[in-house]
Amino acid sequence: GQNIDQPTEMTATEGAIVQINCTYQTSGFNGLFWYQQHAGEAPTFLSYNVLDGLEEKGRFSSFLSRSKGYSYLLLKELQMKDSASYLCAVRDQRSTDKLIFGTGTRLQVFP
Amino acid sequence: EAQVTQNPRYLITVTGKKLTVTCSQNMNHEYMSWYRQDPGLGLRQIYYSMNVEVTDKGDVPEGYKVSRKEKRNFPLILESPSPNQTSLYFCASSRDRALAKNIQYFGAGTRLSVL
Repeated sequence: GQNIDQPTEMTATEGAIVQINCTYQTSGFNGLFWYQQHAGEAPTFLSYNVLDGLEEKGRFSSFLSRSKGYSYLLLKELQMKDSASYLCAVRDQRSTDKLIFGTGTRLQVFP
Repeated sequence: EAQVTQNPRYLITVTGKKLTVTCSQNMNHEYMSWYRQDPGLGLRQIYYSMNVEVTDKGDVPEGYKVSRKEKRNFPLILESPSPNQTSLYFCASSRDRALAKNIQYFGAGTRLSVL
């Protein structure tokens, strides 16, 4: 079967660092994506990992360990506008386009 | 501006009244997909299309139809909507599947209520 797990909700303080974890079990793997989704809006692309290791992009970083079926999204210097849901998605190896999404982690940033 | 456009953004209808949600992309993408998003269930794929005249079922296709007569358009059709199709719907598109990243770009969403 295919399963992607991430925490349902997290809270953090403005200026802090937060790590959102994602574990996956899929029949095939061809890359992992993180999307940000503000309430009622479209998901927007944040990061992509296909090889093990850390990808850094400004305040956001994403890490992947394929052997452990594990990824995390690291958000530094949190801002109020980072309050959103963060979706972990795995691309199925059988199709280079199909994404399997986790249920998302809702992050609330407090002043 | 590169974008995926869905219409309408909001729709309230009654059980059994056929409706169509349009989706159009201006990025010359081959792949297009429809998702529904429900609380606690995440994004689930309804139908997808690898190219013109090529469509296939996703994970939750029951009660939906699609067509892909042109590359840019991928309408979602509900022939006889039912209350369990009340949801937030997203259309997405992505480029040539030969590209490594092949990022999916999403439309703004259509919030549908079926009474």
